[in-house]
Amino acid sequence: GAVVSQHPSWVICKSGTSVKIECRSLDFQATTMFWYRQFPKQSLMLMATSNEGSKATYEQGVEKDKFLINHASLTLSTLTVTSAHPEDSSFYICSARASLNQPQHFGDGTRLSIL
Amino acid sequence: GNSVTQMEGPVTLSEEAFLTINCTYTATGYPSLFWYVQYPGEGLQLLLKATKADDKGSNKGFEATYRKETTSFHLEKGSVQVSDSAVYFCALSALSGAGSYQLTFGKGTKLSVIP
Repeated sequence: GAVVSQHPSWVICKSGTSVKIECRSLDFQATTMFWYRQFPKQSLMLMATSNEGSKATYEQGVEKDKFLINHASLTLSTLTVTSAHPEDSSFYICSARASLNQPQHFGDGTRLSIL
Repeated sequence: GNSVTQMEGPVTLSEEAFLTINCTYTATGYPSLFWYVQYPGEGLQLLLKATKADDKGSNKGFEATYRKETTSFHLEKGSVQVSDSAVYFCALSALSGAGSYQLTFGKGTKLSVIP
């Protein structure tokens, strides 16, 4: 079945550091990728949607300059948390979809801890 | 807007008990409906789906029927196992206000199955 690989799975870093998370579709071309944030014991909150070669569409309340998303190819999207602070600590999950009538496949998530 | 409401957990059951997790939705148009499962420390996995009214999705002993008249998609399993312990998310895919297809998730229901 379709596989989405997310890396790293866990990162701990100091406040002020920028952190990049990668999301790759391993066996299909993802025209659309999604980035979610999940707080403890809560559901997934969609942060942004990106189509290959286009600028990402951010959900209301998500800072574009804080969470930089790049979807440069059909198999790779990156999320960069710039100048991360403790309140950015969370579980970030990416998802990829080949086309509109195909289901979304999820990565295993990245746990980000900012000290 | 689109929304999903699912029963709050946690739900604790003994092995071989019957499971029902209720899910209702509101959406414009004709959404597709999904159940995802999240095991501890992992991303989401698609468990089952239904794309039109009266469809029944099934996988690994789990079932859910798309009921348009009651706008529901309740998850059931006749005999749960300890390995079913996870968080279950009900979701729908429909056109968002921005004109794109997005998944909208319920808050998740944590299931714990004890031997």
